[in-house]
Amino acid sequence: GQQLNQSPQSMFIQEGEDVSMNCTSSSIFNTWLWYKQDPGEGPVLLIALYKAGELTSNGRLTAQFGITRKDSFLNISASIPSDVGIYFCAGQKGTSYDKVIFGPGTSLSVIP
Amino acid sequence: NAGVTQTPKFRILKIGQSMTLQCAQDMNHNYMYWYRQDPGMGLKLIYYSVGAGITDKGEVPNGYNVSRSTTEDFPLRLELAAPSQTSVYFCASSYPPRPGKNTEAFFGQGTRLTVV
Repeated sequence: GQQLNQSPQSMFIQEGEDVSMNCTSSSIFNTWLWYKQDPGEGPVLLIALYKAGELTSNGRLTAQFGITRKDSFLNISASIPSDVGIYFCAGQKGTSYDKVIFGPGTSLSVIP
Repeated sequence: NAGVTQTPKFRILKIGQSMTLQCAQDMNHNYMYWYRQDPGMGLKLIYYSVGAGITDKGEVPNGYNVSRSTTEDFPLRLELAAPSQTSVYFCASSYPPRPGKNTEAFFGQGTRLTVV
């Protein structure tokens, strides 16, 4: 079936460093979503992207919808300890959530 | 608002036992979903519902059943628990998608199930 690949699988960084992660697919998506899952919690939406080439920021987070519509990128600037968690990308083809596909996640650890 | 509430938070089942995972939302969302999360595998959709009385299968429905008698509640039933159903289960809800825009899904805190 359809699959999303996320890289890196895990990251260990120093507090204050910038972080980059990406999500790729062999399929085209109409919407890209980035969620964060804190330890022991459910995922929470960070950023949603609706248009190829779109660049959207949410505080220290910036995400981009790839021009090919097969990839997306998430950057976190000046990381802080509370950035720890698993970051999931999700691609959506239609307009209903049954067609959302989640990536395997990137686990981020921040060393104070 | 409590958002999406899942119970229990943890459960250990023996092979062949049955149980119901409860999910309730107080945001008047029409759409509700059940996902399972396995390590390194992302979230897989088990079942979803677009409104009371309407349910449909997701990507991995085998071994599970759901019902949606009210807008608020969407329980997930395991009839004959198997070790392969050891996972973390998340319930989520959302408004119906709006034209040209996605709709954010709100997730519960999860139920960690172990089948031994």
